[in-house]
Amino acid sequence: EAGVTQSPTHLIKTRGQQVTLRCSPISGHTSVYWYQQALGLGLQFLLWYDEGEERNRGNFPPRFSGRQFPNYSSELNVNALELEDSALYLCASSLPRHRALIEKLFFGSGTQLSVL
Amino acid sequence: GESVGLHLPTLSVQEGDNSIINCAYSNSASDYFIWYKQESGKGPQFIIDIRSNMDKRQGQRVTVLLNKTVKHLSLQIAATQPGDSAVYFCAENTWAAGNKLTFGGGTRVLVKP
Repeated sequence: EAGVTQSPTHLIKTRGQQVTLRCSPISGHTSVYWYQQALGLGLQFLLWYDEGEERNRGNFPPRFSGRQFPNYSSELNVNALELEDSALYLCASSLPRHRALIEKLFFGSGTQLSVL
Repeated sequence: GESVGLHLPTLSVQEGDNSIINCAYSNSASDYFIWYKQESGKGPQFIIDIRSNMDKRQGQRVTVLLNKTVKHLSLQIAATQPGDSAVYFCAENTWAAGNKLTFGGGTRVLVKP
């Protein structure tokens, strides 16, 4: 069974540009989460989508946004890129969780974004 | 963004010895805790989890201990192997705090042959 897949694996952008990252959850999982992991740091929660709706959002500016499609795949969009946006962006999925406590998340390998 | 810790502490362990990785969590109302292992170039991989109504849970070569009195979580790895070299993260979740996993800063484990 395929795990969580993310694309692209690596991306290089310049300041001010916009980027879209994509994630496909494990089959049967309807919840998708996005985390940012800057070099040498822990995982910072970005967004949580469940059954097509945004359920929770981390402390990030509005230029970080996303959406979830009817097939439960998801996109993360970052506008007006800044140097400090350089990080590994991780997507994770789980079974439906907006009515139950989030437990085990399954992570993809991430998209490494470099902003020059 | 929310984050705990800016520099990764490192634990050096001799192959075959037991490893103990510690984590201090922040919310006394947390309901659920989980340990992840992250190898270089990969996403975090689930190791073991524990609910707040338990003190100890064992898996294959791993044990998680929860001390709610001092808000402390530990991961014990028995007979550490070279493949255990990775960064280990603890995470906590609380329904009341928005039902999202909050990760600790991570500990790097280096296994010496």
